[in-house]
Amino acid sequence: KAGVTQTPRYLIKTRGQQVTLSCSPISGHRSVSWYQQTPGQGLQFLFEYFSETQRNKGNFPGRFSGRQFSNSRSEMNVSTLELGDSALYLCASKNGRQSYGYTFGSGTRLTVV
Amino acid sequence: GESVGLHLPTLSVQEGDNSIINCAYSNSASDYFIWYKQESGKGPQFIIDIRSNMDKRQGQRVTVLLNKTVKHLSLQIAATQPGDSAVYFCAETSLDSNYQLIWGAGTKLIIKP
Repeated sequence: KAGVTQTPRYLIKTRGQQVTLSCSPISGHRSVSWYQQTPGQGLQFLFEYFSETQRNKGNFPGRFSGRQFSNSRSEMNVSTLELGDSALYLCASKNGRQSYGYTFGSGTRLTVV
Repeated sequence: GESVGLHLPTLSVQEGDNSIINCAYSNSASDYFIWYKQESGKGPQFIIDIRSNMDKRQGQRVTVLLNKTVKHLSLQIAATQPGDSAVYFCAETSLDSNYQLIWGAGTKLIIKP
């Protein structure tokens, strides 16, 4: 079966712009989580969605938001981009709520200039 | 807050030798501990996990050891191969956190020919 698909793979944006990243989970998976990965901070949890509801949220400013659609696809949006937002954004999906069996996508590499 | 950390950022091992990657954790309430492998340009990939009531678990060429007394986790890779070159992350999770993953900083494993 297809894995977790993230689009686009690479993105270059200018400071102050906004960006939307997309994640299609494994078919049947209802939970989608987003992570920011940087060399200095490692993997940082952004938020998790389950059945279109945000279930957990990490310690990120309100410029970072997300949503999940009825088909479990998820998007995350970053507004007013800052240079420090340059990172690899990873999406992970899992089947049930009571599970830690995450499958990760290959990520979207965002560069803010 | 609670965190998971790694002792060594880079580990260089001769091909064919065994590799040992270490991780310290601080949340004694964690239920599961997981090792992930991240190859260049890819998202983290699940390797092996261990429940908090176990002290050892073996997989194919990998063994995870858990020492709850000193809050230490290790990943042993037998007969290291070039394909094992990657960054290895430990993560911890618990039911209380809705299985949100808390990540370590990562160790880069380099295989010498």
